[in-house]
Amino acid sequence: SQKIEQNSEALNIQEGKTATLTCNYTNYSPAYLQWYRQDPGRGPVFLLLIRENEKEKRKERLKVTFDTTLKQSLFHITASQPADSATYLCALLSRDMRFGAGTRLTVKP
Amino acid sequence: DVKVTQSSRYLVKRTGEKVFLECVQDMDHENMFWYRQDPGLGLRLIYFSYDVKMKEKGDIPEGYSVSREKKERFSLILESASTNQTSMYLCASRELGAVETQYFGPGTRLLVL
Repeated sequence: SQKIEQNSEALNIQEGKTATLTCNYTNYSPAYLQWYRQDPGRGPVFLLLIRENEKEKRKERLKVTFDTTLKQSLFHITASQPADSATYLCALLSRDMRFGAGTRLTVKP
Repeated sequence: DVKVTQSSRYLVKRTGEKVFLECVQDMDHENMFWYRQDPGLGLRLIYFSYDVKMKEKGDIPEGYSVSREKKERFSLILESASTNQTSMYLCASRELGAVETQYFGPGTRLLVL
């Protein structure tokens, strides 16, 4: 069956460190993979998209990698700040869009 | 500024009631989606629509129906609400062929007693 798994439900790190979140999938062949941020009580907000033929994408302090052989994406936030605390969702896009359960990131000052 | 709005932020209904959740987008998007979000399960796709009067089932359509009479509006209907439909419901829209972004509404938190 198709599955999207994000490595952990919660991740706590110290301010200034790099946060690394993992998204693994099985029985999908997505053309695109996206990462979203969701704050409590709000809908998800798009952050980054990476295509199947791209290995890496960067946007400011964010970096995403996409390994279609391993069926895995890594999402990095460098120089993390308490304002980065949120739930981060990965999503696979083909004809429709399927989401992982999310990882709740807490950045402590 | 793009906008997806949902008719209610919070809703309390009784078991057996018919419930309507409305979603409106002002971006002239062809694609619209309804998800529910539960702790530990993430967002699960209920129904989606690629055009007016067109609908397709997602992963968990049982107990739900949808209506898309106008391009900007996509309604989710709970024919007979049950307690296991207590959840956060999120609507989203996307332009046909666009992959960069899917825009979400703020969500409706539904409690069925």
